[in-house]
Amino acid sequence: DGGITQSPKYLFRKEGQNVTLSCEQNLNHDAMYWYRQDPGQGLRLIYYSQIVNDFQKGDIAEGYSVSREKKESFPLTVTSAQKNPTAFYLCASSIQGRNNQPQHFGDGTRLSIL
Amino acid sequence: AQSVTQLGSHVSVSEGALVLLRCNYSSSVPPYLFWYVQYPNQGLQLLLKYTTGATLVKGINGFEAEFKKSETSFHLTKPSAHMSDAAEYFCAVSESGNQFYFGTGTSLTVIP
Repeated sequence: DGGITQSPKYLFRKEGQNVTLSCEQNLNHDAMYWYRQDPGQGLRLIYYSQIVNDFQKGDIAEGYSVSREKKESFPLTVTSAQKNPTAFYLCASSIQGRNNQPQHFGDGTRLSIL
Repeated sequence: AQSVTQLGSHVSVSEGALVLLRCNYSSSVPPYLFWYVQYPNQGLQLLLKYTTGATLVKGINGFEAEFKKSETSFHLTKPSAHMSDAAEYFCAVSESGNQFYFGTGTSLTVIP
């Protein structure tokens, strides 16, 4: 079955450490997204990519970085510059150029500080 | 940019009672509208969507929503709540460029 796989499900970060969250999709979607979810705040967009080797900042990109070297993969790095990284991170994908189509989501990665 | 307002961050209903979750959006053009459900520690799952055509949209698990342009609303309803409906529900609006805008969510509790 096609879908989005996020790994790991749980991740712990030490002070000053960069960590990378994985997101892989086999839906053949061009567009991919990273969201941060905090209680009571809904989903906030971190980065999105509409095509390989191109990505744009979302509303809360500071302290995060991404790459899009392959269509299927859109990893997110939470850098040490992100002072409050504890959150639930969701990756999504959609068909590019078709905003009447829904976004499909992975099952998320929960990041905590040690 | 779009904005999405979900009235009521927490809603409680008795099992078997009507579920009504409210969503209002701001848009100067006809929007595309979506409802998602999220169970604990999981991603979002699409319940239903409105793009064009019939304003009453039926989704999975017995949910439906009605697009009312005059009220800029897209409220989610289910005639009879089930214990398994307890979850977080998100309304979303999309516009050009594949941008999605999500509401802050409504947590539904079903009381046995």
